[in-house]
Amino acid sequence: DIQMTQSPSTLSASVGDSVTITCRASQTINSWLAWYQQKPGKAPNLLIYDASSLESGVPSRFSGSGSETEFTLTISSLQPDDFATYYCQQYNTYSYTFGQGTKLEIK
Amino acid sequence: EVQLVESGGGLVKPGGSLRLSCVASGFTFSSYSMNWVRQAPGKGLEWVSYSSSSSTYIYYADSVKGRFTISRDNTEKSLYLQMNSLRAEDTAVYYCARVRRVGATRAHPFDIWGQGTMVTVSS
Repeated sequence: DIQMTQSPSTLSASVGDSVTITCRASQTINSWLAWYQQKPGKAPNLLIYDASSLESGVPSRFSGSGSETEFTLTISSLQPDDFATYYCQQYNTYSYTFGQGTKLEIK
Repeated sequence: EVQLVESGGGLVKPGGSLRLSCVASGFTFSSYSMNWVRQAPGKGLEWVSYSSSSSTYIYYADSVKGRFTISRDNTEKSLYLQMNSLRAEDTAVYYCARVRRVGATRAHPFDIWGQGTMVTVSS
């Protein structure tokens, strides 16, 4: 199975900051990568698909980049609503795998 | 409104069985592949199982293969997960999730999720 490794596990930032989360795949997944946001007690919400395409309705301060094995999610000008946990997911194969998550906390 | 609603969770003893249901509304259920994803308390997301729109293609995570069975009834707009031989490590919130693309012939991410149903395996 393809392993997905996110870093950092926890990130502290302030409103207005720009932050970047990294996701690495254990083998190439082309651009078949998605990013999700999850808040406590809620289901995940799709933010980015195909590594860099913004899902409809998602604010443009979210952006994704990367290909093959290394990917990033950048959130520019953090808003209070952005403090949550973020997961990457590979869908190069039907054995979908998620990263372990990055918790974005208020500094 | 596009919606998925899960039900069927609860407390079950190790070795027991449980059947989860997910009812869809607001979209043409029969056109979409569907998945089950779970999340153990305080842990990350784990994909469990996939069913193509007509049940032609079905896949499972190794952790549940041989114990769980995914199925669907397109006339009832429902997705199911039959869980047998349950273990403590199966304790989790179980979500059903829709694949983002209609008529997908390859894997795609999940754009619609239910609210989840809690399964607790404990004696």
